[in-house]
Amino acid sequence: DTGVSQDPRHKITKRGQNVTFRCDPISEHNRLYWYRQTLGQGPEFLTYFQNEAQLEKSRLLSDRFSAERPKGSFSTLEIQRTEQGDSAMYLCASSLVQGLSPLHFGNGTRLTVT
Amino acid sequence: GQQVMQIPQYQHVQEGEDFTTYCNSSTTLSNIQWYKQRPGGHPVFLIQLVKSGEVKKQKRLTFQFGEAKKNSSLHITATQTTDVGTYFCAGFTQDDYKLSFGAGTTVTVRA
Repeated sequence: DTGVSQDPRHKITKRGQNVTFRCDPISEHNRLYWYRQTLGQGPEFLTYFQNEAQLEKSRLLSDRFSAERPKGSFSTLEIQRTEQGDSAMYLCASSLVQGLSPLHFGNGTRLTVT
Repeated sequence: GQQVMQIPQYQHVQEGEDFTTYCNSSTTLSNIQWYKQRPGGHPVFLIQLVKSGEVKKQKRLTFQFGEAKKNSSLHITATQTTDVGTYFCAGFTQDDYKLSFGAGTTVTVRA
């Protein structure tokens, strides 16, 4: 399978703990996006990479969130000092640089903060 | 900032009937994309519209991009149980890297 891969699929953590998610995009895709989705809502943009450069970060994203994409390959999203409001599905997507390309989403990581 | 809105939020359809879902943006879009998310799944790309007034068809699905490039619609004819899911529209603006999604229209089908 050469689609977008996310790990883990599910994560349950206690409030105040740190969590890290990983995303492996489609290999030839240079753009990588992180979105967050809660029940009944559309995906909400968090941040975006072109190769290894983080080009945009949502103003809604607090300083507790950080993302990296070393060497322009896989990406990690870390949430520090988790809060119950962080509970959501975290979706990763990748796309080609050329033109206006569709996003290919992974299956997501469902985070539950207790 | 850009906002993308969709109506209705929920659509309950009798199998065999037609329905339309609408998407409106507060700003002019470079393009609009439509995605479908099945229950428990992730969004899957359906189609992209780029030109003003563009109409594209995929079997029973007809997608339209408005003349002002600020609105779009998805029309499904003869709804089937396989059409169940949430349909999202999403758009890029010319000066924006991110794809902004609407809240989606969740479709259920009565057999």
